[in-house]
Amino acid sequence: GIQVEQSPPDLILQEGANSTLRCNFSDSVNNLQWFHQNPWGQLINLFYIPSGTKQNGRLSATTVATERYSLLYISSSQTTDSGVYFCAFDAGNNRKLIWGLGTSLAVNP
Amino acid sequence: DAGVTQSPTHLIKTRGQQVTLRCSPKSGHDTVSWYQQALGQGPQFIFQYYEEEERQRGNFPDRFSGHQFPNYSSELNVNALLLGDSALYLCASSLAVRSIQYFGAGTRLSVL
Repeated sequence: GIQVEQSPPDLILQEGANSTLRCNFSDSVNNLQWFHQNPWGQLINLFYIPSGTKQNGRLSATTVATERYSLLYISSSQTTDSGVYFCAFDAGNNRKLIWGLGTSLAVNP
Repeated sequence: DAGVTQSPTHLIKTRGQQVTLRCSPKSGHDTVSWYQQALGQGPQFIFQYYEEEERQRGNFPDRFSGHQFPNYSSELNVNALLLGDSALYLCASSLAVRSIQYFGAGTRLSVL
């Protein structure tokens, strides 16, 4: 099956810093999404980004499908950005989302 | 507009018992997917329901079963609970089987 790798696995930032999270996948994927899971377990959709670039406030994401990666940019990080960031996608005609292991982010005040 | 709601939020069971988790999809959504998330892991797909039928299933034993009702709400049933079934169970809803999925807050199940 398709393999997905997220990096870095863990990240500690000082409030105000910028960061880039990466998601690599081993084959063509569909419907790539980025999620944030807060410390209480709630998963929030950040971006639906099968290709191209999108921005939402301090967050932006870019997917280069032909090179099989997606990036999530966090600028001017805040303590509320802490949690785990996942990329997920469905592959081929499957209807299930395949998930990376996530990047665990801690933003310190 | 209510989002995806799950109940209960927390549950404690003992080995061998049975459990039923419930999910109401986001208004307007017709597809419900269930995921299991163990501590420190990404969610693992259990199954997906659309038009009251199981459309896709992940690598989970038959002890895991589900149902979707005419109002699109769904239940996840787990029989003969094992310690390893302790996890966060997440429900996601979408409009049609391959569109963006929106998640509930999850049910945290502890099996003692």
